[in-house]
Amino acid sequence: RKEVEQDPGPFNVPEGATVAFNCTYSNSASQSFFWYRQDCRKEPKLLMSVYSSGNEDGRFTAQLNRASQYISLLIRDSKLSDSATYLCVAENRDDKIIFGKGTRLHILP
Amino acid sequence: GAGVSQSPSNKVTEKGKDVELRCDPISGHTALYWYRQSLGQGLEFLIYFQGNSAPDKSGLPSDRFSAERTGGSVSTLTIQRTQQEDSAVYLCASSLAPMRDTQYFGPGTRLTVL
Repeated sequence: RKEVEQDPGPFNVPEGATVAFNCTYSNSASQSFFWYRQDCRKEPKLLMSVYSSGNEDGRFTAQLNRASQYISLLIRDSKLSDSATYLCVAENRDDKIIFGKGTRLHILP
Repeated sequence: GAGVSQSPSNKVTEKGKDVELRCDPISGHTALYWYRQSLGQGLEFLIYFQGNSAPDKSGLPSDRFSAERTGGSVSTLTIQRTQQEDSAVYLCASSLAPMRDTQYFGPGTRLTVL
């Protein structure tokens, strides 16, 4: 089983819709979690950290479920500019950083 | 500049040659990370530096790969006797503190081994 797994997509979603994707992690010792966004042929950029209590940043909400070992990202009122690949990241106590392969999102006009 | 810079941006080399990739982190960032991203694949964590030392080198794909960081700043990733499977984008990132802190990525070096 891969350490961090994501549905590769693509998710094709009409503009204005709400979209959610999950990411599962296998190492229960994982301590910190993040969502990064990567545009085509660009470097990843941090979208948001994921806290145990869940956190929201504008249209974006991230949740962590330690019992089921997954994190989620919800995007409300999606914009064309949200089209990108979303990378899930888990950092472990043994100083390993594991990126998922990403979920491709296409927002359709 | 204010961001992470990497050089060269593109490198084409012949199989068997050595290559050296350079990363200039954001000033003041103590942690520096190297990743590899192959076409259609996710980021593969290679190594990270806390200051000048790398606590764990087990992420490096083979003994042909080595990395060093001097002066707590610039880092170089060296690949000896390159193979075609080494072709990828090599990304460097830095953060204020090691782990659990926002990583800022450079634009990457696209390596093509013919």
